[in-house]
Order: sequence, then structure tokens, then C-alpha cells
Amino acid sequence: GAGVSQSPSNKVTEKGKDVELRCDPISGHTALYWYRQRLGQGLEFLIYFQGNSAPDKSGLPSDRFSAERTGESVSTLTIQRTQQEDSAVYLCASSSDRGKRGNQPQHFGDGTRLSIL
Amino acid sequence: AQSVTQLGSHVSVSEGALVLLRCNYSSSVPPYLFWYVQYPNQGLQLLLKYTSAATLVKGINGFEAEFKKSETSFHLTKPSAHMSDAAEYFCAVSVDYGGTSYGKLTFGQGTILTVHP
Repeated sequence: GAGVSQSPSNKVTEKGKDVELRCDPISGHTALYWYRQRLGQGLEFLIYFQGNSAPDKSGLPSDRFSAERTGESVSTLTIQRTQQEDSAVYLCASSSDRGKRGNQPQHFGDGTRLSIL
Repeated sequence: AQSVTQLGSHVSVSEGALVLLRCNYSSSVPPYLFWYVQYPNQGLQLLLKYTSAATLVKGINGFEAEFKKSETSFHLTKPSAHMSDAAEYFCAVSVDYGGTSYGKLTFGQGTILTVHP
């Protein structure tokens, strides 16, 4: 079946602009995660959605970052007033972890490479 | 809070040689452990996972890892390296605090594996 799909694959924008990144999870996966990967670094957790529960936003680095998810489908990550330090690859993952236990593997998309000029 | 340390940001081996990528974790509760591989310009692909069953875990592409609680380690090995194994490898941990962990992954910094002919 189809995997996690992210769009756009690449985004170049000017400092100060807003950007919106999209993630289509695997059908039936209730859990959805966003991570940020800066050059030469590991992945940082940003936000987690589980069904209709309130999202875990504990990883969002500032109030310029926000994310939404409609039910168990598409999610969008929005970055307002972008800064150069926002340049990174943004990865989305989904899993079938309905029990919030964390023992189900996460399936990753190919990411959106964001470059802020 | 949990953490992951990957020893060695770069590992270089000859084709046919043993691959050993080191991962140590820190967690106050029994962890779930994962190894992911990332090829250039792609997302992360799950190699294997430990979720409290057998301590020796076999994954895809001939990789395996052993969970050693006494050493808080989860090292990744492969008996004979192939050129196609060249990639970046990430060790990750999630924990279950009685259903409140949300499954978010904490990643190590990654190890770039180079395979020489």
C-alpha cells in the first residue's frame, strides 16, 4: 500500500514568509508525528497527534510553529515568519499505535527540505 | 526522560567486513528500541525493533541487534558489509509511562556508515 506522503519535497522561501507543509499518513494509522532534522543532526520531535485527542505540542520550538490534523487524515505544519534557523528537513511519520504505548514502529515520509534565504 | 547516544558519528568498513554500530540508551523504565536507516534524500526506514520480546532481534538486510539491559546497549551488527549498506543509521528509543508516552521517539545523533570496496 501507499506509504507516508509529504509535499512539497523541496521548498525555498524568503525569510519572514509563512510556509505550510503537508503530510498524508498511511491509511488507518491513527498516530501522526512531525520531526525536524537539521543538517548533521539527529531528529527532533515537534508534535504528535493521536486520533481525536489533544495533540502533544511539547516539541514545537516557538509559537511561530503550529500544526493541524483533521481526524485521522492529512496534517499540515505551518511555520510563520520564517527564520534562517528554520532551514531543515521536516519529516512526518505515522504509526498504528492506538494504545499510546510506543511499541509500534513509525513509518516515515521522505520529508520536505525547507531552505530559508 | 530518555536519551540515546550513538558512539561514532562516522564508521568506515571494507566490503565483506563486520559492521558494528553502537547505541547506548538511558531510560527510567523499560524502553522500546529501534534502528532506522536513512539513504540520501529519503526518509527513515525501519531496520529492526526491540519491544521486550527476544533480546536478539533480527531485521532486514541481514542486520541484527542485541538488547543488553545490564549495559543499556542496543548495538547494531551485520556479519558482512555490502556497498549498498552505505547510509546513515539512527538508533531511537520510546518508552511507555503507562499509556502516556505517546510513542514519540528520541533519536541518537546518527552514524554515517561508509563501505569501501
